[in-house]
Amino acid sequence: EVQLVESGGGLVKPGGSLRVSCEGFGFNVSDAYMYWVRQPPGEGLEWVGLIYSKGDGATTEYDASVEGRFTISRDDSEDTLYLQMNSLRTGDTAVYFCTTAFVAAVDGTHQYMDVWGRGTTVTVSS
Amino acid sequence: SYELTQPPSMSVSPGQTAMITCSGDELPRRYVYWYQQKSGQAPLLVIYKDTERPSGTPARFSGSTSGTTVTLTISGVQAEDEAVYYCQSTYNSDTHKVFGGGTKLTVL
Repeated sequence: EVQLVESGGGLVKPGGSLRVSCEGFGFNVSDAYMYWVRQPPGEGLEWVGLIYSKGDGATTEYDASVEGRFTISRDDSEDTLYLQMNSLRTGDTAVYFCTTAFVAAVDGTHQYMDVWGRGTTVTVSS
Repeated sequence: SYELTQPPSMSVSPGQTAMITCSGDELPRRYVYWYQQKSGQAPLLVIYKDTERPSGTPARFSGSTSGTTVTLTISGVQAEDEAVYYCQSTYNSDTHKVFGGGTKLTVL
């Protein structure tokens, strides 16, 4: 079964740092474009950034609100995606989801797979 | 920055049709994806590339486009369809995602 599982969320003070992780199961994380999306309490979804597949150079791109503070990386041997968050602000408080999408061969047909983890909660507060 | 506009809420009775719109200047040139999110859960894709249904999405969900507006239609709404629905598209390159503000669908 294709699955994503996030971990590492917690409480951190403004200006602090935190790294959250996302482990993939049932597919090769290195072959996929992997995204981070966040959702502040009671609010909508916000795109944070992505890392391209290994074959496309593993380039990273970020939303302007986190550029220069957040870094996305990946350990292909562990099928794990990371989000390093520095200089955290109270406005970064959110549930952080990792997500990906790809076409997979299932039972002789090609199916569009859109996969999300359950999310990990990051709270920035003094 | 680029924005997608959705109505904040709507309500329908069971068996009726719900039409949720999403507007954006780039939509004639970009695909739209629709997500359903129930309280405390991760988003669930119900429509991709404007009109396609993923495996497992009930046939009562459909997508359509007209210029700068795309529409998610739920025909014969059921109580289990009560959720927040988000449209999602891209800007800059096809890798930068943008989400609409979400539409809370209440089934009366």
